[in-house]
Amino acid sequence: GAVVSQHPSRVICKSGTSVKIECRSLDFQATTMFWYRQFPKQSLMLMATSNEGSKATYEQGVEKDKFLINHASLTLSTLTVTSAHPEDSSFYICSALLPGYEQYFGPGTRLTVT
Amino acid sequence: GQQLNQSPQSMFIQEGEDVSMNCTSSSIFNTWLWYKQDPGEGPVLLIALYKAGELTSNGRLTAQFGITRKDSFLNISASIPSDVGIYFCAGRGNTGKLIFGQGTTLQVKP
Repeated sequence: GAVVSQHPSRVICKSGTSVKIECRSLDFQATTMFWYRQFPKQSLMLMATSNEGSKATYEQGVEKDKFLINHASLTLSTLTVTSAHPEDSSFYICSALLPGYEQYFGPGTRLTVT
Repeated sequence: GQQLNQSPQSMFIQEGEDVSMNCTSSSIFNTWLWYKQDPGEGPVLLIALYKAGELTSNGRLTAQFGITRKDSFLNISASIPSDVGIYFCAGRGNTGKLIFGQGTTLQVKP
């Protein structure tokens, strides 16, 4: 149990365009999901906490207008990178909190901005 | 942001050897977690620890929640090639957020 999926697994976009990444909890409902960013050979850095039906909570230094988060249902959260630039290229990983237990992570999305 | 100090940064061992890695923090945590991440994948939860002093095993893996609540270690016994990957510790304090260590890259020589 506790499977989390992400789509797409990798995406290449041109500078200035926007890209949406989906995170789904497949076999449980998650009122809370998280979005992390991971640079090569580095650790996971929390970007924001996504709460179903309310606004996301962003970590210090993360631009909420650039990284739009929508948690419209108990099984889906989306991260939209707006006006992407090459420095936004990274590995984006979501997780979903299994109620009463821990966060389960998705497989990640590799974003490359050219 | 705040990070845990995880060591060693990398290990290259022979198949069959035991492995030990640890994490320390200046802050007290209520929960310690250990994850494994394969290249291009998300982290997978290995062991969760919730009480100071707790010692928990998952197959060949054993982890302990330090008595001071500021450290944890993970041991892997009799390593096999599929143990290769990056191991992350993560701590959770009163904020409820997970703080990750820098990771330990494990390579196993058959």
